[in-house]
Amino acid sequence: QKEVEQDPGPLSVPEGAIVSLNCTYSNSAFQYFMWYRQYSRKGPELLMYTYSSGNKEDGRFTAQVDKSSKYISLFIRDSQPSDSATYLCAMSGGGATNKLIFGTGTLLAVQP
Amino acid sequence: DVKVTQSSRYLVKRTGEKVFLECVQDMDHENMFWYRQDPGLGLRLIYFSYDVKMKEKGDIPEGYSVSREKKERFSLILESASTNQTSMYLCASSLWAEGGDTSTDTQYFGPGTRLTVL
Repeated sequence: QKEVEQDPGPLSVPEGAIVSLNCTYSNSAFQYFMWYRQYSRKGPELLMYTYSSGNKEDGRFTAQVDKSSKYISLFIRDSQPSDSATYLCAMSGGGATNKLIFGTGTLLAVQP
Repeated sequence: DVKVTQSSRYLVKRTGEKVFLECVQDMDHENMFWYRQDPGLGLRLIYFSYDVKMKEKGDIPEGYSVSREKKERFSLILESASTNQTSMYLCASSLWAEGGDTSTDTQYFGPGTRLTVL
């Protein structure tokens, strides 16, 4: 079993839809949870960062962490064609040598 | 803004060649990382370094080595390139701040080098 599981998609939605992206994990030591967005032929860029459990909102994006269920989510409201990208979840236990464990990514296509 | 640059966007090499991939970051970050990204496998950590001249193996170090002579520069070396090393290579850096600062663990990525080994 992988430490982090993520549905690869592809996920296709119409413009304006609410998008839900999810990851599950097995390591209860994870405390730092991130979502990266990667456009085609580019490196990943940090989108959202959450420490421990709870919600975090940034504009149209909301990140949720449920440590009891070992489940994290990214919600995108009013999705736009420019949101079309691969979304990678990542997590770590923290510390000086902070190895991130990544999901395989979900490919999202927002249709105009 | 953090900037991480990689020496080449696209590279084509022949089997058996020695290949150098260079990465430079301009934010005085302690930690630097090399990943490869393959469809269906996601990002896999090859090597990382948490200080100058320090290095640690990641999950898939076989066939690779690294060099970090200066804090801002981290090089990935393919000693004898093979076709199964055809991949997208991504470099990242991060600042480690004691005390759980929100910047802890955030990795900033370069644009990637797409390497093809023929």
